[in-house]
Amino acid sequence: QQQVKQSPQSLIVQKGGISIINCAYENTAFDYFPWYQQFPGKGPALLIAIRPDVSEKKEGRFTISFNKSAKQFSLHIMDSQPGDSATYFCAASNTTPGGYQKVTFGTGTKLQVIP
Amino acid sequence: NAGVTQTPKFQVLKTGQSMTLQCAQDMNHEYMSWYRQDPGMGLRLIHYSVGAGITDQGEVPNGYNVSRSTTEDFPLRLLSAAPSQTSVYFCASSYSRRTSEKLFFGSGTQLSVL
Repeated sequence: QQQVKQSPQSLIVQKGGISIINCAYENTAFDYFPWYQQFPGKGPALLIAIRPDVSEKKEGRFTISFNKSAKQFSLHIMDSQPGDSATYFCAASNTTPGGYQKVTFGTGTKLQVIP
Repeated sequence: NAGVTQTPKFQVLKTGQSMTLQCAQDMNHEYMSWYRQDPGMGLRLIHYSVGAGITDQGEVPNGYNVSRSTTEDFPLRLLSAAPSQTSVYFCASSYSRRTSEKLFFGSGTQLSVL
């Protein structure tokens, strides 16, 4: 059961364009929504994150849009650059009875930004 | 700081062999975890630890063992390797169990089981 659904699986964007990756979730107990960026041969790295009490968070060229009622959130990369070419994972976390944050990842989107 | 260090980077095993994937962090993080990454399936949690001496199972624990004798180290043991365990394995840590959604990942171990 895929609790966090991510699309598209792959994305090709021209340099300077906007890259948009979408995610949807089912579990209303999720209370933190991070995005991770992974370059080839490397581990994922936390890129940006949002909590459900805000509808948008922007850090530089990266913006998360969050729609709590629709249970959807998306990553927008403005002015996409070849250096942004990577795999992006959305994720969602909730607090377990043991007190830790359980993170559920989407399936990933491979972004290629072409010159 | 080295962060999260995983060894080896690559490993080829034959079915039935056992091995240990090493993970060490130098950030004094309380929380450590192991994930496997498979095409089209994202990252799936194998085992995690919220402190020395405390471990628990994640989504896909079968065929793997872990232990946490120190804060720094969290090895993953494959007891009897199977082709289904061919994957890329990532160790990740976080400052505490309460911030365990903010993960620091190692660079991974690519494992092939023939």
